[in-house]
Amino acid sequence: DVKVTQSSRYLVKRTGEKVFLECVQDMDHENMFWYRQDPGLGLRLIYFSYDVKMKEKGDIPEGYSVSREKKERFSLILESASTNQTSMYLCASSSFRDRTGREQYFGPGTRLTVT
Amino acid sequence: QKEVEQDPGPLSVPEGAIVSLNCTYSNSAFQYFMWYRQYSRKGPELLMYTYSSGNKEDGRFTAQVDKSSKYISLFIRDSQPSDSATYLCAMKPGGSYIPTFGRGTSLIVHP
Repeated sequence: DVKVTQSSRYLVKRTGEKVFLECVQDMDHENMFWYRQDPGLGLRLIYFSYDVKMKEKGDIPEGYSVSREKKERFSLILESASTNQTSMYLCASSSFRDRTGREQYFGPGTRLTVT
Repeated sequence: QKEVEQDPGPLSVPEGAIVSLNCTYSNSAFQYFMWYRQYSRKGPELLMYTYSSGNKEDGRFTAQVDKSSKYISLFIRDSQPSDSATYLCAMKPGGSYIPTFGRGTSLIVHP
């Protein structure tokens, strides 16, 4: 059973703080993703990684960076948190072995509030 | 115009009703079409997927793709209160690992 875990369910940070969101998957998946989900806007891709130390920008990378030092772990970093980064953050993973790449497995999400 | 359009709802129906959820899209390169279900305070989970055009049935759920109209649907028969969730459509071209998601439709099935 695929499991994607995220380090926190709820997080409250102050403006200007550096924030780390951690994601770990246990299925040896090559691909990992970070999304944010906002009411009325749906899921928007922040960054994508298809291998260790590899990363690609998604639709809204500004204000974020990522790190993938190990295959199972993908971190999202907010260098200087701002109130407009208050959102639900979802991590997902998928496998190269699934040729269609159709299925993404999502974590439970981290609801981040920046005050 | 977004690549994938989905009415956010909410859609409120009585228990036992047939539910129709829909998405339209503009990118003719999309070949894989998925429906995810997201319960409150949880991550999305894959419900159904279809490759290219046609229908696919799984229990009470039927996914339908009409590529000529760029329109996909998810039908839920005999809807139950446990079906209350947000349903997200997603689609992607062949050879890509990155789907494009709709905004999601909130469904409420009341007893």
